[in-house]
Amino acid sequence: DQQVKQNSPSLSVQEGRISILNCDYTNSMFDYFLWYKKYPAEGPTFLISISSIKDKNEDGRFTVFLNKSAKHLSLHIVPSQPGDSAVYFCAASNYGQNFVFGPGTRLSVLP
Amino acid sequence: GAGVSQSPSNKVTEKGKDVELRCDPISGHTALYWYRQSLGQGLEFLIYFQGNSAPDKSGLPSDRFSAERTGGSVSTLTIQRTQQEDSAVYLCASSLGPRDQPQHFGDGTRLSIL
Repeated sequence: DQQVKQNSPSLSVQEGRISILNCDYTNSMFDYFLWYKKYPAEGPTFLISISSIKDKNEDGRFTVFLNKSAKHLSLHIVPSQPGDSAVYFCAASNYGQNFVFGPGTRLSVLP
Repeated sequence: GAGVSQSPSNKVTEKGKDVELRCDPISGHTALYWYRQSLGQGLEFLIYFQGNSAPDKSGLPSDRFSAERTGGSVSTLTIQRTQQEDSAVYLCASSLGPRDQPQHFGDGTRLSIL
């Protein structure tokens, strides 16, 4: 039973345009959500997080939106750059206990 | 550097052998996690240590897998009698505390079972 889903295994976007990566979860007890970026042969690196008391968090080109009623969050990257090409993982936790990761979405930003 | 360090970076071993993977977390981080990523898959939670509390072992796939954390710092993940399906990248992460804290990952150990 996948508690965190990323239904798009891959996404291609033109440089300068917006990238939107989506994530859905099933456990309504999740209260903290994170996005990580992963390059090949490296560990994931933390990008941005959001607590369940918020519906938006912004950090530079990255914005995460949380829709608790829909159990959905999304990561917006604007403008997209070729260096953003990586696998993006959505993760969720329940009061800081186990972090459950989604399967990832591979983003390709085309020059 | 000040990041999470994992060793070895690559390990090739024969089926049936035991392997030990090591993780040095960031100094001062009380929480430590082990994950594995099989080819084409997401991150699978294995085990979680928080301070002196009993570890959460709910993600360990079989009793061939065990982990310990000595002195609240270095951790070793041991896989006994390795099988081919154990081939994966094993990732370690640490964080400042258990709650609302992002994890910092090492670069992983790529384990290949022949």
